[in-house]
Amino acid sequence: NAGVTQTPKFRVLKTGQSMTLLCAQDMNHEYMYWYRQDPGMGLRLIHYSVGEGTTAKGEVPDGYNVSRLKKQNFLLGLESAAPSQTSVYFCASSYAPGKSNSPLHFGNGTRLTVT
Amino acid sequence: DQQVKQNSPSLSVQEGRISILNCDYTNSMFDYFLWYKKYPAEGPTFLISISSIKDKNEDGRFTVFLNKSAKHLSLHIVPSQPGDSAVYFCAAPSLSYGKLTFGQGTILTVHP
Repeated sequence: NAGVTQTPKFRVLKTGQSMTLLCAQDMNHEYMYWYRQDPGMGLRLIHYSVGEGTTAKGEVPDGYNVSRLKKQNFLLGLESAAPSQTSVYFCASSYAPGKSNSPLHFGNGTRLTVT
Repeated sequence: DQQVKQNSPSLSVQEGRISILNCDYTNSMFDYFLWYKKYPAEGPTFLISISSIKDKNEDGRFTVFLNKSAKHLSLHIVPSQPGDSAVYFCAAPSLSYGKLTFGQGTILTVHP
């Protein structure tokens, strides 16, 4: 049981380049999330999805787009990367959000550096 | 507006002693709280939670205490072990869709 898998694990981009981060979960979870982690900032929500075909903005959505074409996949896109997007990105999923016994399951992260 | 705050960036403890990690919140509508643990190069993993109707929840060496009047919660680890060295995040859910608001994290180092 792989849980939540993120690809790639590492990436270096030049300013202005684009890329897509892939998140896949095999737990049949409806809800999926993209967070970024920065020193001293904790984890901040970028976008989330409450089901296949749906997406919504989180706390820091600017500069990112997402798609949820299949229930098991949640893609995060950067159309024109900026140095401010240098961060560690985490994908998470949940089957019953809003319940204390249904915590988020996280992937191992993608470390992105934009030069 | 940081609704969940961890004001101590780091904590160093001797093996066998108690570790106390603190978290403050501003939204009295939060109905439960969670603690996550994160090792380097890994994603956060769920550790323990507490409902707002309780003031204590215990799981082995880990106990979380909630003081609603002070809007404060704390995670106690007794006894601390070197393997507990990690970043600890407290979190609370927003009103919808299970979105979690995280604190800044506290780096715990347990020395042998």
